[in-house]
Amino acid sequence: EVELVESGGGLVQPGGSLRLSCAASGFAFSSYWMYWVRQAPGKGLVWVSHISPDGDTTTYADSVQGRFTISRDNAQNILYLQMNSLRAEDTAVYYCTRTTFDYWGQGTLVTVSS
Amino acid sequence: ENVLTQSPGTLSLSPGERATLSCRASQSVSSYYLAWYQQKPGQAPRLLIYGASSRATGIPDRFSGSGSGTDFTLTISRLAPEDFAVYYCQQFGSSPITFGQGTRLEIK
Repeated sequence: EVELVESGGGLVQPGGSLRLSCAASGFAFSSYWMYWVRQAPGKGLVWVSHISPDGDTTTYADSVQGRFTISRDNAQNILYLQMNSLRAEDTAVYYCTRTTFDYWGQGTLVTVSS
Repeated sequence: ENVLTQSPGTLSLSPGERATLSCRASQSVSSYYLAWYQQKPGQAPRLLIYGASSRATGIPDRFSGSGSGTDFTLTISRLAPEDFAVYYCQQFGSSPITFGQGTRLEIK
């Protein structure tokens, strides 16, 4: 069974950092593009970043470019999102999903507040 | 950026009625790259339709998708109580990937 489990969210002060993880199981993780999508409280879905199967190609939304870094460990089947210089507007539930968008994690909440 | 505009913002219907949700793109989208999702409070999005018209695994046949180019439609033929939720369209054929703002389907 395909499963995606995010972790690493929490409360952080503006300017701080967090690293999110997404543990994947039940499919050939190393064959899939992987994505991060976020949803601010009461708002819609927003794509954040994605990464190629081999990790060589990464793409970011303008709003996080230069602050967030996506990466993956294909040996451990884990997707990461390193988030630096966090802002209040980064407050959201962060979901990971795969190429076909057919499976999503349950999400992890990031709250940026002093 | 390909902006997706969903209408209406809120749709109030009764169980058993037919729902028609619209998604209009500011630029043409290949049907292959157009998807629809359902989201309930506190849950992750659930893929309903991919390739504009193909139902995802386990999705009831009361859900159907249609359209091409810049105009796409999600139709729910006979609303079941569990269908009341927020629905999003998405395009991933051009960067950045974009979602519509959502249509809230509520019980009348």
